[in-house]
Amino acid sequence: GENVEQHPSTLSVQEGDSAVIKCTYSDSASNYFPWYKQELGKGPQLIIDIRSNVGEKKDQRIAVTLNKTAKHFSLHITETQPEDSAVYFCAASKGKKLTGGGNKLTFGTGTQLKVEL
Amino acid sequence: SAVISQKPSRDICQRGTSLTIQCQVDSQVTMMFWYRQQPGQSLTLIATANQGSEATYESGFVIDKFPISRPNLTFSTLTVSNMSPEDSSIYLCSVEGAEAFFGQGTRLTVV
Repeated sequence: GENVEQHPSTLSVQEGDSAVIKCTYSDSASNYFPWYKQELGKGPQLIIDIRSNVGEKKDQRIAVTLNKTAKHFSLHITETQPEDSAVYFCAASKGKKLTGGGNKLTFGTGTQLKVEL
Repeated sequence: SAVISQKPSRDICQRGTSLTIQCQVDSQVTMMFWYRQQPGQSLTLIATANQGSEATYESGFVIDKFPISRPNLTFSTLTVSNMSPEDSSIYLCSVEGAEAFFGQGTRLTVV
């Protein structure tokens, strides 16, 4: 089955700096890669996702890149703010079609991001 | 985007009892997923619930321990049976769609 590895497990940055979290996956058939932010006591919140037909996607201060050949994808957060502090999870799934999430997710182990003032 | 509501949001239960968690979606979906998140850990899929058929369980999870119902395309329940302290976790439902959304989760503590 699919295996997703995520690094680093903890990341501490100064406010205004950039943060990068990296994930690798094992199943070349995976085609949907969401990123989630989980704050204490809450469920995971989808913040951005990318499908295998694109290499990069950006939404304001957040961007995700995908390298299908190397089977890795990364989350980039620029101009970090204290409210970005949370646990971030990457995930991968094999959607039935490129336009659908469509299938169960395999999660990475999570990254605890701390943005310090 | 789908709106997913879970009940209860949290509960404290005695060992040996059972708890049923409800998941309601504001639109019809074919597949619903139940995940477990143990304290400080990542999310692990328990089972996939399709309307009109038996749920499909992942390795390490069995129907007797985690029975699931899926009576229609907007609703599902997960029961945690004969609970022990090791079942203390957050239980989350998710839905298939253009994106994968989660409910807020049910934080279960077994004492």
